[in-house]
Amino acid sequence: AQTVTQSQPEMSVQEAETVTLSCTYDTSESDYYLFWYKQPPSRQMILVIRQEAYKQQNATENRFSVNFQKAAKSFSLKISDSQLGDAAMYFCACQSGGGADGLTFGKGTHLIIQP
Amino acid sequence: KAGVTQTPRYLIKTRGQQVTLSCSPISGHRSVSWYQQTPGQGLQFLFEYFSETQRNKGNFPGRFSGRQFSNSRSEMNVSTLELGDSALYLCASRLRLNTGELFFGEGSRLTVL
Repeated sequence: AQTVTQSQPEMSVQEAETVTLSCTYDTSESDYYLFWYKQPPSRQMILVIRQEAYKQQNATENRFSVNFQKAAKSFSLKISDSQLGDAAMYFCACQSGGGADGLTFGKGTHLIIQP
Repeated sequence: KAGVTQTPRYLIKTRGQQVTLSCSPISGHRSVSWYQQTPGQGLQFLFEYFSETQRNKGNFPGRFSGRQFSNSRSEMNVSTLELGDSALYLCASRLRLNTGELFFGEGSRLTVL
């Protein structure tokens, strides 16, 4: 089983600035995957970025990148050049390699973009 | 390609009733998962189906059940509804098991009175 903790219920950032969302996790698995999902007000969750635990290189998707610290069990999301469309709930999630327990999600961080 | 479709989008039930929610996955996806989202508990895994077989189940009582049909469409059923079952129920499909990206539907908002 895994646990995922997001310690920031809400974050605010000025448009065009950079923001980092924090996430820590705990798992006894050696093979696992980490995800950041975005849930805009329309409610449909979409994948932002994923990281395979066995890969040391941090994943990057355009303006989104992660800082994966395996030893510290930390998986933060950095959003560069924040845009109004980035406003949403962001969920960090963990899944064991076997997928036996589905995804374990954190409680989420509400990201506000100030124009 | 059409996304994950969930019906109904909104519904209101009373305690003791039962409800069935439907999910049509993305074409070609054979895995369908269900999640419950509430303000208090957040997102919690209910179960996952693949090729009509339940692969795994989260920590929910037996009142929560599901099934998957040969066309990969899935239904979940909640019997003897309780007030605490009020939630957004999200369905997700994926192409590959275990590591495949989950594609979510917009959810079914259930209110139990």
